[in-house]
Amino acid sequence: QKEVEQDPGPLSVPEGAIVSLNCTYSNSAFQYFMWYRQYSRKGPELLMYTYSSGNKEDGRFTAQVDKSSKYISLFIRDSQPSDSATYLCAMSIYNFNKFYFGSGTKLNVKP
Amino acid sequence: DVKVTQSSRYLVKRTGEKVFLECVQDMDHENMFWYRQDPGLGLRLIYFSYDVKMKEKGDIPEGYSVSREKKERFSLILESASTNQTSMYLCASSSGLGGELFFGEGSRLTVL
Repeated sequence: QKEVEQDPGPLSVPEGAIVSLNCTYSNSAFQYFMWYRQYSRKGPELLMYTYSSGNKEDGRFTAQVDKSSKYISLFIRDSQPSDSATYLCAMSIYNFNKFYFGSGTKLNVKP
Repeated sequence: DVKVTQSSRYLVKRTGEKVFLECVQDMDHENMFWYRQDPGLGLRLIYFSYDVKMKEKGDIPEGYSVSREKKERFSLILESASTNQTSMYLCASSSGLGGELFFGEGSRLTVL
């Protein structure tokens, strides 16, 4: 079983829709959670970083962490065609220099 | 903003050639990483460094070596490139324990 599971998609939505992207994990020691956006042939860009359960909002993006369920989500409001990319979740354990990544979900926002 | 710069975006090399991939970060981060990213396999850690001249093997170190002579610079070396090393190589850095991880733009290497 992978430590981090993420549905690869593709996920196709119309412009303006609310998008929900999710990851589940098995290791209860994970404390730090990140979401990245990766455009084709580019490096991953850090979108959100959280280290506790609950919600964190930044513009159209909201990251949600539920440690009891070992489940994290990224919500994108008013999605735009420019949001079309692959979204990666990542997590880490304090005191270890290792990061665990999901396989990425490919999102397509149609105009 | 944190900036991680990879010197070469696209490289084409021949089998057996020695390849250097350079990475520089401008935020005084202790930790630097090299990953490769392949379709269906995701991100895999090759090597990481937690201090100058210090390095540790990741999950797939075979065929690679690294060098960290200065805190801001971390190099990945392919001693004798092979076709199965054709991939996207990503450098990353973080400030330390529990810190955010920042990536460079990537270096797409093709080995013929």
